[in-house]
Amino acid sequence: AQRVTQPEKLLSVFKGAPVELKCNYSYSGSPELFWYVQYSRQRLQLLLRHISRESIKGFTADLNKGETSFHLKKPFAQEEDSAMYYCALLSSNTGKLIFGQGTTLQVKP
Amino acid sequence: KAGVTQTPRYLIKTRGQQVTLSCSPISGHRSVSWYQQTPGQGLQFLFEYFSETQRNKGNFPGRFSGRQFSNSRSEMNVSTLELGDSALYLCASSSPGTNKQFFGPGTRLTVL
Repeated sequence: AQRVTQPEKLLSVFKGAPVELKCNYSYSGSPELFWYVQYSRQRLQLLLRHISRESIKGFTADLNKGETSFHLKKPFAQEEDSAMYYCALLSSNTGKLIFGQGTTLQVKP
Repeated sequence: KAGVTQTPRYLIKTRGQQVTLSCSPISGHRSVSWYQQTPGQGLQFLFEYFSETQRNKGNFPGRFSGRQFSNSRSEMNVSTLELGDSALYLCASSSPGTNKQFFGPGTRLTVL
């Protein structure tokens, strides 16, 4: 079955602390993975995708096929990073974007 | 470029009624996907349209249908509404050759 799991509903850290939002997936084949973010009262927007190997707003994510993970990391959290983060997998055979349940990141001052 | 727009933003209906939601993609985008977002089930894929054809479909009953017009605008219809259809309905568009989806603000449907 194709599935995305985000084990933490809520992650609370202090400003300046490192952040790691976990994402594990189940997919047979080569997955295409994304992180989307939704700030308060804003629309869902793409943060980054694994094929770009980019860093956006200080966030990075590395695809680990052995552990079937795509964790999102940032070395120093900022208050403006507080938002809901969704990990998503694009199924190449169905064209569906499969989302995890989301993790709320709360960065405290 | 203007972003994805959805109308209406809010809708209240009663059980048994039907509803039509509209989505205008970013100019030049030909693919439109629809998602249902609820607190319990999260974000679930409904269907995707490309060049007026349904290309992919999620696991929703036949009461959920959609279509796409020649200008790439898309509509989603839900017939015989049930209480459980209360949700935020999101649409997203993507440009040819890329899997980057751009989301609209959503339509909040409440079924009483």
